Amino acid sequence: GEDVEQSLFLSVREGDSSVINCTYTDSSSTYLYWYKQEPGAGLQLLTYIFSNMDMKQDQRLTVLLNKKDKHLSLRIADTQTGDSAIYFCAESYLNSGYSTLTFGKGTMLLVSP
Amino acid sequence: EPEVTQTPSHQVTQMGQEVILRCVPISNHLYFYWYRQILGQKVEFLVSFYNNEISEKSEIFDDQFSVERPDGSNFTLKIRSTKLEDSAMYFCASSEEQGANGYTFGSGTRLTVV
Repeated sequence: GEDVEQSLFLSVREGDSSVINCTYTDSSSTYLYWYKQEPGAGLQLLTYIFSNMDMKQDQRLTVLLNKKDKHLSLRIADTQTGDSAIYFCAESYLNSGYSTLTFGKGTMLLVSP
Repeated sequence: EPEVTQTPSHQVTQMGQEVILRCVPISNHLYFYWYRQILGQKVEFLVSFYNNEISEKSEIFDDQFSVERPDGSNFTLKIRSTKLEDSAMYFCASSEEQGANGYTFGSGTRLTVV
C-alpha cells in the first residue's frame, strides 16, 4: 500500500545545513512534496518534484530524489531560526489524478541560535 | 495573498453531539478537500469535492461525515455524532485545478471531543 515515512525530530544550529529525509513506497509515477507547518498555521507548500526528476533547487532548498531507494530528502542551506517548524513529506498518485495527498508524520526541525 | 479561512480555530464538543467545521476556500478555486491529523499521527485524506459532489473519499469518511457547499462560498464538514476518536486537527484545502500541486491549506480547526 501507499506509505510515507520520515524521522520525527531534527535539531541543528543556525547557519548549518539541515537535511530532512523521507521514504515512500509507491513506485508508479508520482509527485512528491515538502510542506512546512509553523505553530498555529496551515500547511505551506515549499516545493515539489515529479518522480522522473532527480533534483530540484529553489533558493536555499534542495530536493533530492533517489528513485531506486524511494528516498526523498529536503536540504535547507544556511538554516535560520525562522525555519523551525514541522516539515511534512507527501505524495500524490496517478490513480487519484494526483489530486489527493498521502502524508508522513512530519519532522520537527528545531534551529538553535 | 489569497487564503483559505477555517473557523473556528478550536472547538470543544461533547461526545454524541453534531459539529460543523467551516471553511472559506479561495474564491476562484473549484476543488475542495478535507484532511485531518490526529495528534501524533499522519495527516490523512478525508474527502474531495468538485462540481457540488464528492469526487473521492477515504475509508475514514463514513456515514457520520458529510460535506456541503451551501452558498457558493463556504465549504463545510459535518460530523453527525462525534466520538472521542474524532478529536483531531481538521484541515481544509482548495485548488483552482485538479491536482495537489495547486493546493492551498487553511490553518486548521482543532476539534476536541470530550
